[in-house]
Amino acid sequence: EVQLVETGGGLVQPGRSLKLSCVASGFTFNNYWMSWTRQAPGKGLEWVASITNSGGSTYYPDSVKGRFTISRDNAQNTLYLQMNSLRSEDTATYYCTRGGLASYGDDWGQGVMVTVSS
Amino acid sequence: DVVLTQTPVAQPVTLGDQASISCRSSQSLVHSNGNTYLEWYLQKPGQSPQLLIYKVSNRFSGVPDRFIGSGSGSDFTLKISRVEPEDLGVYYCFQATHDPYTFGAGTKLELK
Repeated sequence: EVQLVETGGGLVQPGRSLKLSCVASGFTFNNYWMSWTRQAPGKGLEWVASITNSGGSTYYPDSVKGRFTISRDNAQNTLYLQMNSLRSEDTATYYCTRGGLASYGDDWGQGVMVTVSS
Repeated sequence: DVVLTQTPVAQPVTLGDQASISCRSSQSLVHSNGNTYLEWYLQKPGQSPQLLIYKVSNRFSGVPDRFIGSGSGSDFTLKISRVEPEDLGVYYCFQATHDPYTFGAGTKLELK
């Protein structure tokens, strides 16, 4: 059974940093692209970042480019999201997402809440 | 950026009825490789999203055959025949053809 468990969320002041982790199990981690997707309270879904299975390439929308960094440790089956220069509009639940052979999000974690507020 | 417009915003249904959700894209979702990366997700209340359909019409593993995805180019539809209680929630279309990837705003399937 695929499991994706996110940790690292919490309350952080604007301009500060936070690092999320996602521990994966139940599948061969280094075979799959991984992504982060977020959902602001009461709002829809937004793609945040993606990384290839080797970690050699990463992709971001303009809303987080230059502030967020996605990375992975295939030996530890762990995905990361380093978030710098946080803004109030980054407040959201962040989901770790496993890609499929031809799809974006075959599996999703339970999500971790990040609140950016002074 | 590609804008995905979902209609209706809310779809009241009676259990056992058919429901239909439209997703229109601001540009064609046909990739240069010939594939169309249009997906549908369902987010049940209090849960994480789950994949239903990928590449327009392919049901993900374990998804009942009452979920049918169709369409082409920039016009797509998700039909749910014989709505059951576990089908209630918010449906999102999503495109991964163009960078940045984008989601529709969602359609809430609710009981009448």
